[in-house]
Formats: sequence, C-alpha cells, structure tokens
Amino acid sequence: QIQLVQSGAEVKKPGASVKVSCKASGYTFISHGITWVRQAPGQGPEWLGWISAHNGNTRYAHRVQGRVTVTIDAPTSTVYMELRSLTSDDTAVYYCARAGFVDYYDSSAYLDYWGQGTLVTVSS
Amino acid sequence: DIVMTQSPDSLTVSLGETATINCKSSQSLLWSPNNNNYLAWYQQKPGQPPKLLFYWASIRESGVPDRFSGSGSGTDFTLTISSLQAEDVAVYYCQQHLNTPHTFGQGTKVEIK
Repeated sequence: QIQLVQSGAEVKKPGASVKVSCKASGYTFISHGITWVRQAPGQGPEWLGWISAHNGNTRYAHRVQGRVTVTIDAPTSTVYMELRSLTSDDTAVYYCARAGFVDYYDSSAYLDYWGQGTLVTVSS
Repeated sequence: DIVMTQSPDSLTVSLGETATINCKSSQSLLWSPNNNNYLAWYQQKPGQPPKLLFYWASIRESGVPDRFSGSGSGTDFTLTISSLQAEDVAVYYCQQHLNTPHTFGQGTKVEIK
C-alpha cells in the first residue's frame, strides 16, 4: 500500500534550522512529485513547495523562498524539507503529500496521499 | 496569489440533514486546454492529515461515500454532504492547485446539532 512516513517531532531554537524527511513506498517513486504543506496550531494548511521526483525541479512559496530547500534521494525514495532561520511563526505540523497524478514537469496536482505529519516547535 | 474564501466558517447540522459548504476563488480555476477545474476538497479530523475527497472539483476519490458531492466551475464551488453522519464531523478545506502557491481556504468546521 502507498505510504509516506515522516521523521519525528523536533524542537528548535529561534535562528536554527530543521530538516524533515518523508520516505515513500508502495508506488513508482519517480512518477509522482511530493508537496510540503504546513499547518500552524488552529490554522488552515499552507502550501510550502513541490519537488518533481523525476528530475528534482522545485517550486516554493514566496513566503518561505530563500529559507526552504526541498531535496530528493531517489535511491531511498526519500524527500527532505529543510527550513532555515526559524522563528516562532514556523511552529507547525509539517506534512508531505503525494501528487495525485504523474507529474514529471508540472506542479499542478491535487494531493492524494499524505504523511502522518511532523510537529516542529520553535521556542527559546 | 489566488485567494480562496470558504463560507460559512462553521456549520451545525442535524444528523441526516444536508450540509453545504461554499468555496470561492479570486480567479478562475478552469483551465481551457483540458477543461478541468483545478479545485480539490479535503476533510480533516483532529490529529490527522487532510484526506482527499474530490479532485477536478467533482471527481470523488475512491472510497469516499456517495453522500458527499462536489460541484461548481470557474470561481464558485460547492461541497455537499447529504444525510450527515456522526463520522462527518470535521473541518473541510478547498484548495486550488492551478497556480503556485496552491492556496487553501480557511476551512469550514462541521458539527452535529
């Protein structure tokens, strides 16, 4: 069955960086891009970025561009999201999610499978 | 960025009755080359990730009960839950996936009266 399994909760100090992993299984990894979404406490989801599992092309939200990097390790079917210069506003649950159709070059997919979420807490 | 606005923010409905959630986008989500509306609906229960209900505005994801229906085109979309069940208590989000960033609505909380 299709699964996205994320790394565990993190607690970071302001100014630090965090790197969250998302390991995919149960499907042809390179055929479906991975999107990162975060959700602050009591808020709606916020789209952060997308990576093509085919060629590593990325798209990022303006709000985090320059602070976020999404990378891929195809041999292990794992995607990473690194966020730098953390502030308390970055406290949220971070999700990875799979593109709902084959999207080698295009980020315009709905999200059909989601990871379980990783809580990142930024606190001094 | 495309702004997604849902209404109402919350909804209290009796068991067996109908819940209607609206979603409006600040620009058309209809892409002419394939005639698809780039609009998805998700259901989120506490402590869980969002779950895909509909894509292309009206295509029900596998396993979603047929009491759920999605409709609309262009800038106006609707999620309808007919004969509301206790397990439908959740927050529902629309999301446009036409242009990055793929923005979500603020959510509609559905509760039982």
